[in-house]
Amino acid sequence: KAGVTQTPRYLIKTRGQQVTLSCSPISGHRSVSWYQQTPGQGLQFLFEYFSETQRNKGNFPGRFSGRQFSNSRSEMNVSTLELGDSALYLCASSLGQEKNSPLHFGNGTRLTVT
Amino acid sequence: AQSVTQLGSHVSVSEGALVLLRCNYSSSVPPYLFWYVQYPNQGLQLLLKYTSAATLVKGINGFEAEFKKSETSFHLTKPSAHMSDAAEYFCAVSGRGNNRLAFGKGNQVVVIP
Repeated sequence: KAGVTQTPRYLIKTRGQQVTLSCSPISGHRSVSWYQQTPGQGLQFLFEYFSETQRNKGNFPGRFSGRQFSNSRSEMNVSTLELGDSALYLCASSLGQEKNSPLHFGNGTRLTVT
Repeated sequence: AQSVTQLGSHVSVSEGALVLLRCNYSSSVPPYLFWYVQYPNQGLQLLLKYTSAATLVKGINGFEAEFKKSETSFHLTKPSAHMSDAAEYFCAVSGRGNNRLAFGKGNQVVVIP
């Protein structure tokens, strides 16, 4: 069974631009979560989607948004990029029906904002 | 809100020696607890999880953790370190009924030959 796939692996953007990251979950998984990982703040929860609905949201500004499609694939968007948005963005999928079912992480998208 | 504390960002251990990584949690409800490992340029891989079925939890790669409610701890151990154990380890907690994980700052484990 294929794992969680995130594209692209690396991105370089300029301040003020926007970016879209993509995540394809494990087949059959209906929950997709997004996390931001930085050296200073560590791993922080962004949001979770289940069956195309946002089920949980972290403490990030409105510039960070996401969505989930009917095939469970998910995208997250960051608008008006700031230098501090440089991070590794990790997507994780789970079955979702049973809450607290294990999260399976992708290898992440490393975003660099210059 | 749930949170976990991992002390000591870098941990050095000799090959063959005991690996001990400490995690203390704070939760207003009975928690679910997890340990994840991250290798360079990769995502996180689940080592083990505690969901109240048993206080001693065995995971992959010879790791295990013991849930101690009285000490609010969930320390990770492995009897004998291997070179392949060099990685970053994260403890995480979630409240029952949601998938939102709160992670600790992580422990970078270095294995000395």
